[in-house]
Amino acid sequence: GDSVTQMEGPVTLSEEAFLTINCTYTATGYPSLFWYVQYPGEGLQLLLKATKADDKGSNKGFEATYRKETTSFHLEKGSVQVSDSAVYFCALSGYMNYGGSQGNLIFGKGTKLSVKP
Amino acid sequence: DARVTQTPRHKVTEMGQEVTMRCQPILGHNTVFWYRQTMMQGLELLAYFRNRAPLDDSGMPKDRFSAEMPDATLATLKIQPSEPRDSAVYFCASGLVLDEQFFGPGTRLTVL
Repeated sequence: GDSVTQMEGPVTLSEEAFLTINCTYTATGYPSLFWYVQYPGEGLQLLLKATKADDKGSNKGFEATYRKETTSFHLEKGSVQVSDSAVYFCALSGYMNYGGSQGNLIFGKGTKLSVKP
Repeated sequence: DARVTQTPRHKVTEMGQEVTMRCQPILGHNTVFWYRQTMMQGLELLAYFRNRAPLDDSGMPKDRFSAEMPDATLATLKIQPSEPRDSAVYFCASGLVLDEQFFGPGTRLTVL
């Protein structure tokens, strides 16, 4: 079935450092791709999304480009802040299992980011 | 500002007791999801509904968990009997097909 693989954390950076969190996927068809963020004690919230190849999603200084040739959707930010400390989840819309129901989001395991002042 | 609401936010109970968690999806969303999050397993999909019909509950322990949508404004997840290994944060999310999901704040369940 469809799947998402993202880099294991935790990732610890100093404020103003450059951030990359890698995400690759396996999918049938042409899924949409998402990055979600979970701040401590809260539910997940959408950070950005891209719906087709070569689209770039961006929000709050974060960006990710849908690369069909490398099946990747890496998250980047040029200068992280302490307030960016959270867990980041890559996800795709697609099939859970071959022949299974469509319409669910399939999530990676999450990458915890800690930013130190 | 439309949001998914969940009640209760926190629940502490003893092993063997019944637990019911409730979710109010965003009005107009036709798909509702239940997830469980633990440190060990991460985020797991338990079940989801479309237009109130259950589509997939393969992630749910069938013998003790049940999920229902009695109407379009209410989804419930019930555990009977509860066990310590059920301790987790349970999230409800709603959305439209193949689009983003909106998550509620979660119910933190502790089973002693």
